[in-house]
Amino acid sequence: EDKVVQSPLSLVVHEGDTVTLNCSYEVTNFRSLLWYKQEKKAPTFLFMLTSSGIEKKSGRLSSILDKKELFSILNITATQTGDSAVYLCAAPPLQGAQKLVFGQGTRLTINP
Amino acid sequence: DTAVSQTPKYLVTQMGNDKSIKCEQNLGHDTMYWYKQDSKKFLKIMFSYNNKELIINETVPNRFSPKSPDKAHLNLHINSLELGDSAVYFCASSKVVGGELFFGEGSRLTVL
Repeated sequence: EDKVVQSPLSLVVHEGDTVTLNCSYEVTNFRSLLWYKQEKKAPTFLFMLTSSGIEKKSGRLSSILDKKELFSILNITATQTGDSAVYLCAAPPLQGAQKLVFGQGTRLTINP
Repeated sequence: DTAVSQTPKYLVTQMGNDKSIKCEQNLGHDTMYWYKQDSKKFLKIMFSYNNKELIINETVPNRFSPKSPDKAHLNLHINSLELGDSAVYFCASSKVVGGELFFGEGSRLTVL
């Protein structure tokens, strides 16, 4: 069964800290991994990773994929209270390419 | 302009009732989805439509019936509502298979 597992499930840090969120996957015929940020409502897209070892960056957020070890990390440096959210990773499996299998999410709380 | 819009945003109803949630996207995407997010924030695919045709039906009870009158609309009708149907239902669309999902803001269904 295809699955995506995230850790930790919950993380509380102080503003300014750096955090690393983990996502491991077991997906047949892996093609890509996606990261989303969910605040109060709709998840919003952060990154899509397809190639191993190539870092994607957007401001203070960066992500990298390791296809050999089947995981991805999402780093956030100099965290701000606005980074508080649930971070979701997902991957499309071989069967039913038009769906994403989501992890259970990491709830990140940034305290001032 | 809202890219993916769902109505209603909140729905409170009694067990046994029938209800519908509507979704529209103005992104010109061919593929639309319904996802269910439970209280633990787990997002699970329910249905996927590609160009008005049902592509994915993920072991969802047949009390749930999606309908796609055209590729910009995907509605969800639920018969004989049960307590366990309480969740947030997200509509989404994507341009390419396995690509970035654009989510609506969700419809929070509470069954009493």
